[in-house]
Parts: sequence; C-alpha cells; structure tokens
Amino acid sequence: KNEVEQSPQNLTAQEGEFITINCSYSVGISALHWLQQHPGGGIVSLFMLSSGKKKHGRLIATINIQEKHSSLHITASHPRDSAVYICAVRSRETSGSRLTFGEGTQLTVNP
Amino acid sequence: NAGVTQTPKFQVLKTGQSMTLQCAQDMNHEYMSWYRQDPGMGLRLIHYSVGAGITDQGEVPNGYNVSRSTTEDFPLRLLSAAPSQTSVYFCASSQGPAGNQPQHFGDGTRLSIL
Repeated sequence: KNEVEQSPQNLTAQEGEFITINCSYSVGISALHWLQQHPGGGIVSLFMLSSGKKKHGRLIATINIQEKHSSLHITASHPRDSAVYICAVRSRETSGSRLTFGEGTQLTVNP
Repeated sequence: NAGVTQTPKFQVLKTGQSMTLQCAQDMNHEYMSWYRQDPGMGLRLIHYSVGAGITDQGEVPNGYNVSRSTTEDFPLRLLSAAPSQTSVYFCASSQGPAGNQPQHFGDGTRLSIL
C-alpha cells in the first residue's frame, strides 16, 4: 500500500461543478502539499498546509490530521482547471528534504 | 521571472550513452532536488542538495550522479543510460527543506533511452 493514496484517479466534470479530490496518507506528517501539473507537463505548488484550511481563489484545501486525510476543492470549475492534481506529504520520520507523492488525480472539466 | 530552468526539454539516447540534464534557478534557493515521474507512479526523489557542495541520495539514486558547485546549478548525470531510465525528469528548488517549503519546479525533461 502506498503511503499516499489519492481518489479518484480520474474525474470528469462539467463546467461550473464543485469538485473534490481526496488524499489519504498512512504516516505521521508535518506538512501536506497540493500540486497542479498542467497538460504541458509543468508543475505548480498550490498549497502547503499542516492544519485547518487554506483558500486561494476558487481553490480550497483542508486537512484533518487525526483522520490522516486532506481534500482539495474547486468551486465553479472551469475547463482551464483541467490538469493532474498531486498530493504530497512530508513524513515526520524522514528528513526535511523528502516528500512522498501520490500518483495524482487527472481532472477534466468539459465546457 | 526565469525561476527553475531545465535543459534540454527532450532527449533521445542510446543504451550506454551518458548525458547531463541541466538545472538552474535564479531565486537563491539553498535546497534543490531531482525527481523522476513514471506512469502509474508518483514523483520519486533521485538526489537532492541542501546547499553548494552538499548532496545526498534520494529514493532512486542508482545510475545517477549529481554535484552542486554553485547555489544556482544542480546538474544530473546519467552515467550509462539504460531503458529503465526512460522517464520525465523534474528539477525543483525551495527556500528551505522541501517538505517544509513550497517547491518551484522546472518544466521537465522528457528522456527516452532506446
């Protein structure tokens, strides 16, 4: 079992829908990251969080440390949100320079 | 705003050839990392550096060498390319340890080994 599991693997939505991507992890962590990989391949950091909730524009990330679970929400989705969304964690048991990544969730938003 | 620059973007090699993937950042970041991305797997750490002159192995270091002679540059060397090294390679940098700071990624190098 991977240390970081994402669901769903693939998600197709209609423009305007509310989207949720889930990330579960099995180790104690000090930080969790959400990344976005564009269709062209570039990767951008969206959020880094260790507790609670963060919001940036239409994106909201939440984390529940006790349940070892994080969600990424997209409100009023748009075709430009189509991308792979990647969850990554920094385990308390590894050095600060190591992240463990999930396999990613491929999101397609149709107009 | 250059950020993290990787070259080349694409490369095809024959088995046994060597090559260097270049990575440069202009943000004065101490921490730099190399990852590979393969279908059905998450990004995996190859090597990382916490500052000029200091490097360490990641999860999948075999077949790769790195050096860090300057803060800006962190090249990745394939010593004798093998088909198993066909992958997309990403370089990343951060102000502090990768787990505790947002990472800035390059656009990737798509490498095929025939």
